[in-house]
Amino acid sequence: AQSVTQLGSHVSVSEGALVLLRCNYSSSVPPYLFWYVQYPNQGLQLLLKYTSAATLVKGINGFEAEFKKSETSFHLTKPSAHMSDAAEYFCAVTGGFKTIFGAGTRLFVKA
Amino acid sequence: GAGVSQSPSNKVTEKGKDVELRCDPISGHTALYWYRQSLGQGLEFLIYFQGNSAPDKSGLPSDRFSAERTGGSVSTLTIQRTQQEDSAVYLCASSAGLVFTDTQYFGPGTRLTVL
Repeated sequence: AQSVTQLGSHVSVSEGALVLLRCNYSSSVPPYLFWYVQYPNQGLQLLLKYTSAATLVKGINGFEAEFKKSETSFHLTKPSAHMSDAAEYFCAVTGGFKTIFGAGTRLFVKA
Repeated sequence: GAGVSQSPSNKVTEKGKDVELRCDPISGHTALYWYRQSLGQGLEFLIYFQGNSAPDKSGLPSDRFSAERTGGSVSTLTIQRTQQEDSAVYLCASSAGLVFTDTQYFGPGTRLTVL
């Protein structure tokens, strides 16, 4: 069985500040992990994914995430937030055809 | 087409009516997924197709929900005798389906409102 927990349904940062969105997973098989982003009134799109190659994964728009097996975490970071980063972010895990999504974290960016 | 399309974009129906939601995946994608996104919640996996076959239907919330895929392309999600708790955004995604880590490409969703 697999599950995903995203800590914090809402995160607010100032423009230029570090973005840190937390994701912890549980999986009975080696996991594949994803971060998706949903901009207002748009569909979900893939930010990045971990597929058991490098543990530090770089994605689009300056985001990256690090797979830490010992902590069962896959936190998403960006060094400097931009206003355009305001969106909802979803962490997801799969070990097969069934992908389990977290409840999402809405990121607010203050000017 | 260039991306995953879904129709209708919005559907308002009365409790007890049947509805059909359609998904057109990206051409050539063998894997197709249906999810449900309720207000304030994450995406709930409903069903997965590889070609026309659905290996696991356990994600469907009740026997009022069914889905089919024909010709390895278009898929239809049918909800019979709709209830108010069925109100949600229904999302479809497709992927190349070669490996489980293939990127899923999502459609814009169908917003279903049951009055």
